Amino acid sequence: DIQMTQSPSSLSASVGDRVTITCRASQTISSYLNWYQQKPGKAPKLLIYSASTLQSGVPSRFSGSGSGTDFTLTISSLQPEDFATYYCQLSYSNPQTFGQGTKVEIK
Amino acid sequence: EVQLVESGGGLVQPGGSLRLSCAASGFTFSTFWMNWVRQAPGKGLEWVANIKQDGSEKYYVDSVKGRFTVSRDNAKNSLYLQMNGLRAEDTAVYYCAREVLPQDYMDVWGKGTTVTVSS
Repeated sequence: DIQMTQSPSSLSASVGDRVTITCRASQTISSYLNWYQQKPGKAPKLLIYSASTLQSGVPSRFSGSGSGTDFTLTISSLQPEDFATYYCQLSYSNPQTFGQGTKVEIK
Repeated sequence: EVQLVESGGGLVQPGGSLRLSCAASGFTFSTFWMNWVRQAPGKGLEWVANIKQDGSEKYYVDSVKGRFTVSRDNAKNSLYLQMNGLRAEDTAVYYCAREVLPQDYMDVWGKGTTVTVSS
């Protein structure tokens, strides 16, 4: 099975900061990488699919990049509503795999 | 409105069984792969299983193979997860989610149902 390594596991940032989260796959997965946001007690919400395509309705401050094995989620200017946990997800093959998650906290 | 609503969670003893359901509405259920994803208390997301549109293909995470069975009834717009031989480590919130092809992302999620395995 393909393994996903997401980093960092947590970070502290201030409103307005630029935030970057990375995911690395143990083998090439083309662009089969998605990003989700989850707030406490809520279901995950799709942000980015196919590594770089913004889901409809998601603010443009979110962006994704990468292909092959290395991927990045960037929040260009962190807003108060962005404090949450973010997960990458490999969808290249079954079993599908989520990264370990990155909790974005207020500094 | 596109919606998924899970039900069937509860408290069950180790070794017991439970059947989860997911009712879909607002979209053509029979044209989508469907998934189950779970989240143990304080932990991350774990993909559990998925099923093809016609039920002819099913995939599972290793930890539930032989114990869990995913199924669907397209006439009833419903997805199911039969869970047998439950263990404490199966305690989690279980979400159903719709999968969009060919990019394979999950764009619609239910609110989840909680399964607690404890004596």
